Amino acid sequence: ETGVTQSPTHLIKTRGQQVTLRCSSQSGHNTVSWYQQALGQGPQFIFQYYREEENGRGNFPPRFSGLQFPNYSSELNVNALELDDSALYLCASSPQGATGELFFGEGSRLTVL
Amino acid sequence: AQSVTQLDSQVPVFEEAPVELRCNYSSSVSVYLFWYVQYPNQGLQLLLKYLSGSTLVKGINGFEAEFNKSQTSFHLRKPSVHISDTAEYFCAVSDGYGGATNKLIFGTGTLLAVQP
Repeated sequence: ETGVTQSPTHLIKTRGQQVTLRCSSQSGHNTVSWYQQALGQGPQFIFQYYREEENGRGNFPPRFSGLQFPNYSSELNVNALELDDSALYLCASSPQGATGELFFGEGSRLTVL
Repeated sequence: AQSVTQLDSQVPVFEEAPVELRCNYSSSVSVYLFWYVQYPNQGLQLLLKYLSGSTLVKGINGFEAEFNKSQTSFHLRKPSVHISDTAEYFCAVSDGYGGATNKLIFGTGTLLAVQP
């Protein structure tokens, strides 16, 4: 059984640029959520996708957007990057109805210069 | 609004000693509570969860936690730690409402540092 995989693992961008992060969910999982983990902090919920629709969003501006595809994989897009966007971005998948039981990938570490 | 407080940022402990990592939450509704572990350069892994029922919850790797509604706490314990338990531990709460069943509010984490 393949777990959650994320790409790229590391990337460096400059202020104002755009970035796309990708996530393949664990087999059989139809719900994907994204979290931002700043250095020394706990993860913060960005949004959740279920059946290709966003069905929950945290306190993040609209320049954070996402997609979920029919195979349940997902993308996180961030426009107009700011220095404070530097963080580890974690993707998590879960089977339907499994409240809070998330399976996390190893994350994409974004550095904004 | 819900919140989670992890009272200790770092807990040093000797190998084979017992440990307790503290977690308090605030919520006006029924909650679901979780502990996750993050090993260096890895994602998070679920240790245990409380959804309902028995207030003593057993998880993986010999960890357990007790839900105390009156004290709004969900402390994590292990009777004897190993070097391999060195990691960051996160307490999290979810209300499970509104469809966003995976919207977890995490604490700031506690680094468990096990020394030989």
